[in-house]
Amino acid sequence: GESVGLHLPTLSVQEGDNSIINCAYSNSASDYFIWYKQESGKGPQFIIDIRSNMDKRQGQRVTVLLNKTVKHLSLQIAATQPGDSAVYFCAENSNDYKLSFGAGTTVTVRA
Amino acid sequence: DSGVTQTPKHLITATGQRVTLRCSPRSGDLSVYWYQQSLDQGLQFLIQYYNGEERAKGNILERFSAQQFPDLHSELNLSSLELGDSALYFCASGLEGFSGNTIYFGEGSWLTVV
Repeated sequence: GESVGLHLPTLSVQEGDNSIINCAYSNSASDYFIWYKQESGKGPQFIIDIRSNMDKRQGQRVTVLLNKTVKHLSLQIAATQPGDSAVYFCAENSNDYKLSFGAGTTVTVRA
Repeated sequence: DSGVTQTPKHLITATGQRVTLRCSPRSGDLSVYWYQQSLDQGLQFLIQYYNGEERAKGNILERFSAQQFPDLHSELNLSSLELGDSALYFCASGLEGFSGNTIYFGEGSWLTVV
């Protein structure tokens, strides 16, 4: 069935290093993907999105890569900062009008 | 600030009671989504409305209902509350109601059932 999942529930990264958060999805009909960041006690915050006709998209310090062949999505954060500590969710949107979320990866930045 | 407003931010109520959560979408957005987030379930889609009409339904219990009003604000009604309903309830809004729609979340309503 349809599912969106993350490879690792937690990620610890040294401040200044690059972070890579992975996500696998199973619905081949999904055509739109979003990464959200959720800080403690707050709502998910939009980071970056990508459509299925692209394989890479860059934002400010973030890059999303999409590999449709293996149904894999990743979020790369450059020069990770303490403010990047949060839970990161990938979400997919197929043709059923909703976003399905993965379980989330908790990123902890070490000073 | 996403532009999505949710009230109340926190509420505590007893089992068996009923509560109403309110959401005002971003200006210009026609779609409203409701999600439930609990520690062991992640973000679970409940229901979506587009321009006043129900568009999609997820894992929403029969004790829960929602509606979207002509001014596009939405309410989520939770009745016969159980301890397991304690969770963070998010509203999100989006411009349109079809696939490929970026949605923006409010800060959530913390519900504690005691």
